[in-house]
Amino acid sequence: SAVISQKPSRDICQRGTSLTIQCQVDSQVTMMFWYRQQPGQSLTLIATANQGSEATYESGFVIDKFPISRPNLTFSTLTVSNMSPEDSSIYLCSVGGGRLDTQYFGPGTRLTVL
Amino acid sequence: SQQGEEDPQALSIQEGENATMNCSYKTSINNLQWYRQNSGRGLVHLILIRSNEREKHSGRLRVTLDTSKKSSSLLITASRAADTASYFCATSGNTGKLIFGQGTTLQVKP
Repeated sequence: SAVISQKPSRDICQRGTSLTIQCQVDSQVTMMFWYRQQPGQSLTLIATANQGSEATYESGFVIDKFPISRPNLTFSTLTVSNMSPEDSSIYLCSVGGGRLDTQYFGPGTRLTVL
Repeated sequence: SQQGEEDPQALSIQEGENATMNCSYKTSINNLQWYRQNSGRGLVHLILIRSNEREKHSGRLRVTLDTSKKSSSLLITASRAADTASYFCATSGNTGKLIFGQGTTLQVKP
C-alpha cells in the first residue's frame, strides 16, 4: 500500500479566495486522482492528475475552477479557486487503481468557506 | 455521476450482531472495492473483489459479487462498536476511476 499525506488537513477560507491542497505519496505512482465529498454525501471524482500533461476533468468540473498540477510521480496539487460556500467539502486525493489495483486515499482536506 | 446505490442508507444494530450492506451498479466493471470512513475522515480500504470472483473474505468481512445482477454485498460479522462508520462501495472499469455508491451509515450500539 501507499502512504499518502495531504496538506492542509483543514482550513477555513473567505469567499472569493483560493486554496491550494497538496498531496504527497511515499512512492512513485502512475495514477493519481482528486475527489470531492460534499457534506453528508458520497465521493465524486473531480479529475485525474496526469504527470507531465494537463489533468483530465470529469463532467461538471473545469480547469479554471480546479487547476491541478502534477510535476512528478509522487506529488500533486489541487487549487480551489474563487471559492464560495458551495465549495465547502472534503477534498481527497487517491493513488493506484487501474484494472486490478486497489486505490488508496489520503486523509482528506476539510474546507469550510465562509 | 454516481453509479452505485447502496442499501440500507442507515443501519443500527447491537454489538455482536451481523451487519449486511448491499451495493448495486449499472455498468460493467473490472473490480469493486469497499471502503470505510469514520466521521468524515479519510477512506480506509477494506477489500477489493475482481469481476471474475464471486466471494472474498478478510477477517470479519465477507464480500460477494454477482455480476449478472450487478450487485455486491458486504457482511460484517460479530460487529463491534468500533465498526461504527460509513461504508462505501466503489466500482472501477478500465480507466481506473472509481465511481462511488451513496454509502451506508452503520451504527453499532455497545
